[in-house]
Amino acid sequence: QVQPVQSGAEVKKPGASVKVSCKAPGDTFTTSGISWVRQAPGQGLEWMGWINTHRGDTNYAQKLQDRVTMTTDTSTRTAYLELRSLKSDDAAVYYCATDYGGKGRFEYWGQGTLVTVSS
Amino acid sequence: DIQMTQSPSSLSASVGDRVAITCRASLSINNYLNWYQQKPGKAPKLLIYAASSLQSGVPSRFSGSGSGTDFTLTINSLQPEDFATYYCQQSYSTPRTFGPGTKVDIK
Repeated sequence: QVQPVQSGAEVKKPGASVKVSCKAPGDTFTTSGISWVRQAPGQGLEWMGWINTHRGDTNYAQKLQDRVTMTTDTSTRTAYLELRSLKSDDAAVYYCATDYGGKGRFEYWGQGTLVTVSS
Repeated sequence: DIQMTQSPSSLSASVGDRVAITCRASLSINNYLNWYQQKPGKAPKLLIYAASSLQSGVPSRFSGSGSGTDFTLTINSLQPEDFATYYCQQSYSTPRTFGPGTKVDIK
């Protein structure tokens, strides 16, 4: 099994926060990185940022920088995406993908997590 | 940010056809170009990386070419399972950016 496994669907109100988890394959987690990509309904793919799963350093998309935090827990091989101050246009499927060395090649993808934002 | 465009936005083709999808970057990205296939309700799947390298496990009917700003994904002898949306993506710089996608459907 090389595909990451993500947490389940979430329903949030505008202004709330969401935290999505991504459990990655054990033999690659600490030598790899994780990028997060989202896809609004019927739309294309948007890269949100990358985290080095060994050192924890991050590279966020500038448009989300004020609202996003990516973290990892190496003991459980899990990466997390937290997005704060949710707006209606944050409603999307959120994917994690392995991104070795932050080279931007998204080799293995999680199954996706649907985040609904609704009052 | 590097802008990625694709053409056509959609195409209809028959099983056995040869299909070509083009991708253009707003500035030179050398060969830092990846191609993905996405089927409805599924995560994208990496097909081609570094413009022309076939990802492990991907059928050889898929091929990629190009360098600089212009790239092509070619599918030789289209199979029923190839009907999907295809995205290009640059890995030259951050933010990583994707093309808008090309939907390939059955004629």
